[in-house]
Amino acid sequence: EVQLVESGGGLIQPGGSLRLSCAASGFSVSANYMTWVRQAPGKGLEWVSSIYTGGHTYYTDSVKGRFTISRDNSKDTLFLQMTSLRVEDTAVYYCARGGDGVGTSPLDYWGQGTLVTVSS
Amino acid sequence: DIQMTQSPSTLSASVGDRVTITCRASQSIGSWLAWYQQKPGNAPNLLIYKASRLESGVPSRFSGLGSGTDFALTISSLQPDDFATYYCQQYYSDSAFGQGTKVEIK
Repeated sequence: EVQLVESGGGLIQPGGSLRLSCAASGFSVSANYMTWVRQAPGKGLEWVSSIYTGGHTYYTDSVKGRFTISRDNSKDTLFLQMTSLRVEDTAVYYCARGGDGVGTSPLDYWGQGTLVTVSS
Repeated sequence: DIQMTQSPSTLSASVGDRVTITCRASQSIGSWLAWYQQKPGNAPNLLIYKASRLESGVPSRFSGLGSGTDFALTISSLQPDDFATYYCQQYYSDSAFGQGTKVEIK
């Protein structure tokens, strides 16, 4: 059974850093396109970052240079390292699985989300 | 960057109604479009991919069509479980979501 379990969220001051983890089971994170999506309170979904099966990474403009997506293939875990956090980064962060091809794909499995609150 | 625009933002409907949500891309994305349903407190759930292909396990009352820049999601006969927020997503170039359409009880 495919499962994604996020962790690492919490309350952090502006300018701080946080690392989110997403533990996968039932498949290999290295074999699938993986994505982080966030949702600010009461708002819509926002694509944040993706890592392709080949290892290429992409980011939405507002997090470029501040967030880093990575994966640990041996532990089937996806990460999102977040630095220089801003109040507007406050959101529930979801990790999601895409297909096993070389490009982008729709997201067929999602974690339950982890809340990141950036506030002084 | 490709922008996705959904309409309407809110839709009031009754059980049994046929409802349609539209999504427009700022440039052509072929058929690289997905639709998701999200209920409060839950993660999104994939309904449709490649514009018109139904994800496994999704009821056949959901359908999608379109290509290029204009797309639509139709629910043929609205059921109580369908009151939720729906999002389109392009995955032609990186990714982007529409702002969402909330389907509420009339």
